[in-house]
Amino acid sequence: SQQGEEDPQALSIQEGENATMNCSYKTSINNLQWYRQNSGRGLVHLILIRSNEREKHSGRLRVTLDTSKKSSSLLITASRAADTASYFCATYNNAGNMLTFGGGTRLMVKP
Amino acid sequence: ETGVTQSPTHLIKTRGQQVTLRCSSQSGHNTVSWYQQALGQGPQFIFQYYREEENGRGNFPPRFSGLQFPNYSSELNVNALELDDSALYLCASSYSTSGEDTQYFGPGTRLTVL
Repeated sequence: SQQGEEDPQALSIQEGENATMNCSYKTSINNLQWYRQNSGRGLVHLILIRSNEREKHSGRLRVTLDTSKKSSSLLITASRAADTASYFCATYNNAGNMLTFGGGTRLMVKP
Repeated sequence: ETGVTQSPTHLIKTRGQQVTLRCSSQSGHNTVSWYQQALGQGPQFIFQYYREEENGRGNFPPRFSGLQFPNYSSELNVNALELDDSALYLCASSYSTSGEDTQYFGPGTRLTVL
């Protein structure tokens, strides 16, 4: 079973618009990570937010974390065609050895 | 591009055969994790190796086995292949098993079982 579930499953926007993806998880966490995957290739780590953080920024990315609701969101501002990819949230188990991914949001940014 | 490499890139096998996939971890990383990603889904954790020992396993049958070598490279072996084993297999390396580390993924091996 997957710990995180992303919403929406697919998102199509125009270049320049903002894209927001949401992730819900089930158990308590120490941190939550977001990864990006281009068309069936390897995943690239985007950002990690710890359980005691509420918001984190990295360039055009903004991540929020609400541990009371067990949810996180990833905002990509001023999107570009090159942002077209699948985005996954992921959390570690308590032992810190198993990273569990959600089903992903497939983002398409139209030029 | 991460420093993690995987081979081969693509592989076609038939049911019942055995397959070995290989992964070279990023320099300085002693931990390798393997994931299976079916089409349209998120990666699923198979197992992790830390300093040549298995350090955690997901919900996969024993016909999925692995090895980690002294140079921290790793192999994933799958016996008695089934059609449902068709997937992208990803390996990822990290500095440790702290649960705080970024995992650096290789480009994957796409396995097709006919």
